[in-house]
Amino acid sequence: QSALTQPASVSGSPGQSITISCTGTSSDVGRYNFVSWYQQPPGKAPKLLIYDVSHRPSGVSNRFSGSKSGNTASLTVSGLQPEDEADYYCSSYTSSITLVFGGGTKLTVL
Amino acid sequence: EVQLVGSGGGLVEPGGSLRLSCAASGFTFSTHAMTWVRQAPGRGLEWVSAIVGTGTNTYYADSVKGRFTISRDNSKNTLYLHMSSLRAEDTAVYYCAKASPPEGYSTYYYYYYMDVWGKGTTVTVSS
Repeated sequence: QSALTQPASVSGSPGQSITISCTGTSSDVGRYNFVSWYQQPPGKAPKLLIYDVSHRPSGVSNRFSGSKSGNTASLTVSGLQPEDEADYYCSSYTSSITLVFGGGTKLTVL
Repeated sequence: EVQLVGSGGGLVEPGGSLRLSCAASGFTFSTHAMTWVRQAPGRGLEWVSAIVGTGTNTYYADSVKGRFTISRDNSKNTLYLHMSSLRAEDTAVYYCAKASPPEGYSTYYYYYYMDVWGKGTTVTVSS
């Protein structure tokens, strides 16, 4: 199972919005609405941000939103804040009854 | 407070074995699927394995199938990962995580999301 494709890095200024894409195939992202996003600050464990493509767990800021179109899922972070600087990973359930992660995207807040 | 504490990591030679443990507290362990996810140094996350709440069904990434075995002891609220035939490419921080299901699905069987993560335990495979 190949990793989902994410851009290696994105950046934005405080207050701006950025979008991270996550491209899979018809066997994972395109087939199921079981897409999630995780935030991993440097040296820390990941944190669940989005599940079921666009749902936020309790306690996650509404500045984070998710969507999907075809084989590509997206995470949008609006009103960028310095504490948003972290690595972001998408994940999807697959037709092989496994999970697959994206390669990760480093978000830099300028 | 929901807490996961991993242990058992260390240095092991190629071809060797190691068993990781993850002690859970703060939730009803037996009613939740659990997962292991690893992260090689400087690399991204890689899903390794999952087990349903009853322990009857297990799932593995192709990269570890046949070498790793996931198990759980619900009487001890503990998750395990037995790793054998270890390779240099298994070197990573191993995270245990409490699985969360999609909306409307059972917590026992669905492992699609990880909503609580342990701090990770480091495994180094080297001679």
